[in-house]
Amino acid sequence: EAQVTQNPRYLITVTGKKLTVTCSQNMNHEYMSWYRQDPGLGLRQIYYSMNVEVTDKGDVPEGYKVSRKEKRNFPLILESPSPNQTSLYFCASSARRYNEQFFGPGTRLTVL
Amino acid sequence: GENVEQHPSTLSVQEGDSAVIKCTYSDSASNYFPWYKQELGKGPQLIIDIRSNVGEKKDQRIAVTLNKTAKHFSLHITETQPEDSAVYFCAASRGSQGNLIFGKGTKLSVKP
Repeated sequence: EAQVTQNPRYLITVTGKKLTVTCSQNMNHEYMSWYRQDPGLGLRQIYYSMNVEVTDKGDVPEGYKVSRKEKRNFPLILESPSPNQTSLYFCASSARRYNEQFFGPGTRLTVL
Repeated sequence: GENVEQHPSTLSVQEGDSAVIKCTYSDSASNYFPWYKQELGKGPQLIIDIRSNVGEKKDQRIAVTLNKTAKHFSLHITETQPEDSAVYFCAASRGSQGNLIFGKGTKLSVKP
């Protein structure tokens, strides 16, 4: 089944404790992206990648890191999480940058 | 900077009525305009998209219109059904970069 998977689905952590949210797609897509969704603010892009080893900042990249060492994986790293990073995070992938994006199921992160 | 404005933020219609959601964008280089539907607890899913060389596109009960001169595009849902209840997001491509800007979303409620 073609899909985007994210792990974990739910995470509660404390300020300053490094964490990684994994994202993997099995559709051989070139384009991958991370978004955060907050009430009243819609979807805001954090980082995106147009291919392996190519990453670019989105609209809200501060406090986040990403890497794209393999085509299928695009992990999101929070080196020192803070409470304002409490949010619902979505990973997405598409064949090319302006094609249908397939979203993962979301990761709900709470930083205390 | 570039932005996408979406209206209304909430919309309530009676089953069988039509629903219209409108978006305006600021980047004159935008040429790809997708619409996503997000059901409760799930990631967004593409329902229809349009590119700048087309003024209108229809898929069964869903249609999108684009006015490039005025920089606005709209989603039209006819004969609404309770299962159309969801949050809908419009988006526009960024001409200078390889990513999308999303509107803040419209919560559509269809009352039986």
